[in-house]
Amino acid sequence: DSGVTQTPKHLITATGQRVTLRCSPRSGDLSVYWYQQSLDQGLQFLIQYYNGEERAKGNILERFSAQQFPDLHSELNLSSLELGDSALYFCASARGEIWGYTFGSGTRLTVV
Amino acid sequence: TQLLEQSPQFLSIQEGENLTVYCNSSSVFSSLQWYRQEPGEGPVLLVTVVTGGEVKKLKRLTFQFGDARKDSSLHITAAQTGDTGLYLCAGPNYNNNDMRFGAGTRLTVKP
Repeated sequence: DSGVTQTPKHLITATGQRVTLRCSPRSGDLSVYWYQQSLDQGLQFLIQYYNGEERAKGNILERFSAQQFPDLHSELNLSSLELGDSALYFCASARGEIWGYTFGSGTRLTVV
Repeated sequence: TQLLEQSPQFLSIQEGENLTVYCNSSSVFSSLQWYRQEPGEGPVLLVTVVTGGEVKKLKRLTFQFGDARKDSSLHITAAQTGDTGLYLCAGPNYNNNDMRFGAGTRLTVKP
């Protein structure tokens, strides 16, 4: 157990639908990062939150959004889902860049 | 965007063999990290290298950071089946707000 909890572990949904992925960071970590991993694209950075505030954006689509709540858990919202959104979505938390990330086990999203 | 290129993309070896995988960039990084990812799991941090020329050892794994801090290598001695996995290198983006990952080397160690 890495200390980073992601739910659900698997999600199957239809095109056009909206889903919410949840992440609870490791105790004491203020930063939460979301990554998308697909076979052909590798790990792609989506967005970072630090202590409730958006800190950085990567290759995140406009159909996707995220937030971090006062208790530091974070949610990634994916809407108008397309087949190409099928991927593993990882959340990671960190105390600081130099110490590395702690990843959750991911949510496997399948859009049918 | 600072790109990290990893080679080889795939590597299949017999148990007991030695191997080296590489992580290269045209950009200078303040630090580089190596992670291992097993199927169905998130990446797990193995090591962080910070100083140019630095060598770190983790049991049978030896990590080296290039003198110019643009590249790194991971050497595994006497590979075991438990070393099988996806090895990823990562470095902080220019704004230091997130880590950028290479595409990884997928290692298979056969018994």
